[in-house]
This record gives sequence, C-alpha cells and structure tokens, in this order.
Amino acid sequence: DAMVIQNPRYQVTQFGKPVTLSCSQTLNHNVMYWYQQKSSQAPKLLFHYYDKDFNNEADTPDNFQSRRPNTSFCFLDIRSPGLGDAAMYLCATSKNPGGADEQFFGPGTRLTVL
Amino acid sequence: GQNIDQPTEMTATEGAIVQINCTYQTSGFNGLFWYQQHAGEAPTFLSYNVLDGLEEKGRFSSFLSRSKGYSYLLLKELQMKDSASYLCAVMDSNYQLIWGAGTKLIIKP
Repeated sequence: DAMVIQNPRYQVTQFGKPVTLSCSQTLNHNVMYWYQQKSSQAPKLLFHYYDKDFNNEADTPDNFQSRRPNTSFCFLDIRSPGLGDAAMYLCATSKNPGGADEQFFGPGTRLTVL
Repeated sequence: GQNIDQPTEMTATEGAIVQINCTYQTSGFNGLFWYQQHAGEAPTFLSYNVLDGLEEKGRFSSFLSRSKGYSYLLLKELQMKDSASYLCAVMDSNYQLIWGAGTKLIIKP
C-alpha cells in the first residue's frame, strides 16, 4: 500500500542534543510538509517542499531545519532541542500544493526532551 | 489575522447524531477540509468542500456556507470508534492550510 512512513515513532533526546526525524513516502507526491502538533492544539506548519522548492514558514524557529534529498525522503533536524520542542511531529504529503488535494499524514514521531 | 473556531469538546451518545461547527476568517478561500484524529495518531482526511452546500459520504456529511464563513460536520449513527478529535482546516489564498485546534468528541454508551 502506498503510504507515508515516519521513523522513529518515539524519540527521546536530551536538552540541547541534536536530533533528526525522518519521513519517506511511496505516493510519489510532489509536496511534503512538516508539522509540529502539541497536545490539544492545531498542527503548526514548519516547512513544506514543492518538489525541491523549500518554503520556510515565517515563524519557524532557526533551531529547526529540513532537507529533502529526493522525492521520497524528507528530514527534520532540530539543532538544539529545548523542553518546548517536545511535541508530535507530523509529516504529510500532497500531490499538488493547492486545490482539492488532501494531505496524507504519516503516523507521527513523538519527541520527548529530557 | 486568520482564525478558525470550533468547540473544544463535545459529548454524544452511541447511535445518536452530532453536529460539529466550524467558523473561519481567512485571507481568501480555496476550500475547507475536515480531518479525524484519534488520540496519539495522525489526522486522516474526511471531507473537502469548496462550493456551498452539503456533501454526504456514508455516515458523515459536511456543509459549507462561504458567505457566512461557516461549516459543520454531521456524524450520524454514532459508534464508539467515532471518539476522536475532528479538525477543521481552511486553504487560504496562498494555498496554505489554516488549522483549527480540533473538537474532541466523546461518545458515551
């Protein structure tokens, strides 16, 4: 089945220790997104890629960076995680950036910062 | 600014009908999505409305009024597995999705 895969599902890191979350997709979609979602809050868009075109949301902290080496893979790097970065990180894809194309989500990575 | 409002929490009884409302103020409008999110899991797509009116899909229906900036999700014949959060999201003029915080729906036997 075509899908969005995220690894790991649960990630524990120490305060200030860099961490990388990964996402892969077999849907061959052009657009990939990274969201941060805290408990009972709306998903917050951090980045999105339309093909290799990188789009950084204006209020995404510099502590967060992203890479998309090819169509299938996308990575989220958190350079110096703080306690406030503990959250669920969701990767999503869509065929095209606008219109009626729904976003398909991976299962998420729950990040704990000690 | 851009804003999506939906109730924080609702409770309903198994077998009943529930309506979850969503109001929005956004920079432009390119459609409204409803997603279901079970606790600790990723959102899954339920519906998309871009024209006024009702879209029915099995037990779930979604309604849109663009002039009122209003939508609702109607769930019929509620089942225990419908206990989840329901997120309303609007695509703005830049084709960015603006998300609501979600409505937590609790189903009681």
